[in-house]
Amino acid sequence: QVQLQQSGPGLVRPSQTLSLTCAISGDSVSSNSAAWHWIRQSPSRGLECLGRTYYRSKWYYDYAVSLKSRITINPDTSKNQFSLQLNSVTPEDTAVYYCARELTSNYGRIDFWGQGTLVTVSS
Amino acid sequence: DIQLTQSPSFLSASVGDRVTITCRASQGISSYLAWYQQKPGKAPKVLIYAASTLQSGVPSRFSGSGSGTEFTLTISSLQPEDFASYYCQQFNNYPFTFGPGTKVDIK
Repeated sequence: QVQLQQSGPGLVRPSQTLSLTCAISGDSVSSNSAAWHWIRQSPSRGLECLGRTYYRSKWYYDYAVSLKSRITINPDTSKNQFSLQLNSVTPEDTAVYYCARELTSNYGRIDFWGQGTLVTVSS
Repeated sequence: DIQLTQSPSFLSASVGDRVTITCRASQGISSYLAWYQQKPGKAPKVLIYAASTLQSGVPSRFSGSGSGTEFTLTISSLQPEDFASYYCQQFNNYPFTFGPGTKVDIK
């Protein structure tokens, strides 16, 4: 059974960097059949894919165009985890953040999610 | 980005009712569509993928159909545990956008 355990602060000051980590058990961040996502949810923006990373002989990264200048997702094979960094946050980045696993075969689906982290951007 | 719309946004139904939710894509996405159920305070749970394939462990009263730009999620006989919000998501092109959701409430 795959489990994703999120960690990171729930409060970030405006203009600072939001950092979250997702520890994976039951699968590998280097899996050839999975991709690893960060997704957020807010009342104003709904569910929003922020970015993903996956390994297919080398690492690949996809990011939402609106965030491309501010977002970094990093896999860590030594700890079997991946992380999210979002720079220069504003109150509009306030949301519940989820890490998630996508099974990339057979048209794709997200089948496992982390527990969610409510991140509030406020001074 | 591919835009997904859902209808209705909200529906009120009774236990035992047949419920249908529609998801439309702004361009053709073949069968690259999944459906999720979400309850308050919880992460979404996948019900259907590849437009019509039932995820393992999901009750057979859930079914999906469609391809291209129009898709439906049907609950054949609504159960008390089905009162929740439902979202579609496309996997044709990144970013894998979600629909705005349909909230199913008790009549």
